[in-house]
Amino acid sequence: GEDVEQSLFLSVREGDSSVINCTYTDSSSTYLYWYKQEPGAGLQLLTYIFSNMDMKQDQRLTVLLNKKDKHLSLRIADTQTGDSAIYFCAESMVSGAGSYQLTFGKGTKLSVIP
Amino acid sequence: EAQVTQNPRYLITVTGKKLTVTCSQNMNHEYMSWYRQDPGLGLRQIYYSMNVEVTDKGDVPEGYKVSRKEKRNFPLILESPSPNQTSLYFCASGINQPQHFGDGTRLSIL
Repeated sequence: GEDVEQSLFLSVREGDSSVINCTYTDSSSTYLYWYKQEPGAGLQLLTYIFSNMDMKQDQRLTVLLNKKDKHLSLRIADTQTGDSAIYFCAESMVSGAGSYQLTFGKGTKLSVIP
Repeated sequence: EAQVTQNPRYLITVTGKKLTVTCSQNMNHEYMSWYRQDPGLGLRQIYYSMNVEVTDKGDVPEGYKVSRKEKRNFPLILESPSPNQTSLYFCASGINQPQHFGDGTRLSIL
C-alpha cells in the first residue's frame, strides 16, 4: 500500500529555521500537502504543491519536492513559538477506478524553544 | 468564507446507541471524506465520496456508514458504536484543490 513517512518529533530554537521532512511511495501522486494542527484544534492547510513543481514559496514557508527520491520538505524560516504544532504531510493520488485518495503521514510534532 | 461544518463537536455516548455526525460544506466540492485521528496512528480515511450517490471505503470503514444524498452534506453514521470507535473525527471537502477540514468531532463511546 501507499505510505507517507515523517519523523515524529523536531525541536528548534526560536528564530532558527525548521525543516520537516516527508517521504512518500506513490509516484503517481498529483498534489502534496502540508497541514498544521495546533493542540485541540482541527487541521489547517498550510500549503500544497502540484507534483510537477520543484519548489513553492509562501512567505516564511518553502516547500521542496524531489520527485526522483519521493521526498517532500517544509522549511519554516524564523520559527516562532506560535509555530509549535503537529505538521502533517499528505499526498493525493488517483486510485482504483479513477477515484481519489488522500494519504497522511503520522505527523511531526514541532516544539519551538524560546 | 469557505467552510466545513461538523456537528456535534463533542459527544459522549454508550455502546450500541446509534449516532450520526453531520458534515456540511459550502464550496460546491464534489469530493468529501471522513477521517479518524488516533494517537500514534495519524489520520486514517474511513469513507470518501466522489459525488452525490457515489461513496467508497477508505482504509478503516468497518463499523461506519455514510450517505451522500446531496452535494453539500456527507453524514457519518455509527449504527452500533463500540468503544474502539472512540476517536477524533474529521470531515474534509475537496481533493485536488486545497482540501478543507472541519474542526473535528471528539467521540467517546463508553
